[in-house]
Amino acid sequence: SQQGEEDPQALSIQEGENATMNCSYKTSINNLQWYRQNSGRGLVHLILIRSNEREKHSGRLRVTLDTSKKSSSLLITASRAADTASYFCATGQGATNKLIFGTGTLLAVQP
Amino acid sequence: GAVVSQHPSRVICKSGTSVKIECRSLDFQATTMFWYRQFPKQSLMLMATSNEGSKATYEQGVEKDKFLINHASLTLSTLTVTSAHPEDSSFYICSAPDRGTFGSGTRLTVV
Repeated sequence: SQQGEEDPQALSIQEGENATMNCSYKTSINNLQWYRQNSGRGLVHLILIRSNEREKHSGRLRVTLDTSKKSSSLLITASRAADTASYFCATGQGATNKLIFGTGTLLAVQP
Repeated sequence: GAVVSQHPSRVICKSGTSVKIECRSLDFQATTMFWYRQFPKQSLMLMATSNEGSKATYEQGVEKDKFLINHASLTLSTLTVTSAHPEDSSFYICSAPDRGTFGSGTRLTVV
């Protein structure tokens, strides 16, 4: 399967703490993207990092990419209860940049 | 801008019937559309790629005759679940790679 893997599968933290999620993939990629999904809802695009980039920031989000290890991490700093959601990495692959999603991390931020 | 409108958002149908899901690009032309399926508490799995004016490309293990995909114009792609059964109950979501935009998803329940 081309599907990437994320760990941890579930993460529970207190408000104000940082949350780190990791993603590993198997093939060469054009880019790697992170999405969030609230229960039963659509996807919200968070950030995209290109294969030639190593780190990217957006607000409280920090993403790293290590193409030699085929891995990425998403750091959410100073978490809030509203950050509670499922987070997915997705690798853009091939000429059409089809997105192959990871298994996801369920983040619960306790107020 | 770059909105993909997906309808219906929710549908309940009887076993054996067919259901059509539409994705329209509202303010841009989408030459390609990705279709994903997501079972409860699982990740998104790419089912197929629709291409305007040509046959869709299906991922391994996806039945072409069961999941009919049509991309008749640059603004409309449809997925028809034929002879639906309870195991087809899932969240279906489209994505236009031209703009990296996702539809809001369709929750299909087959009873």
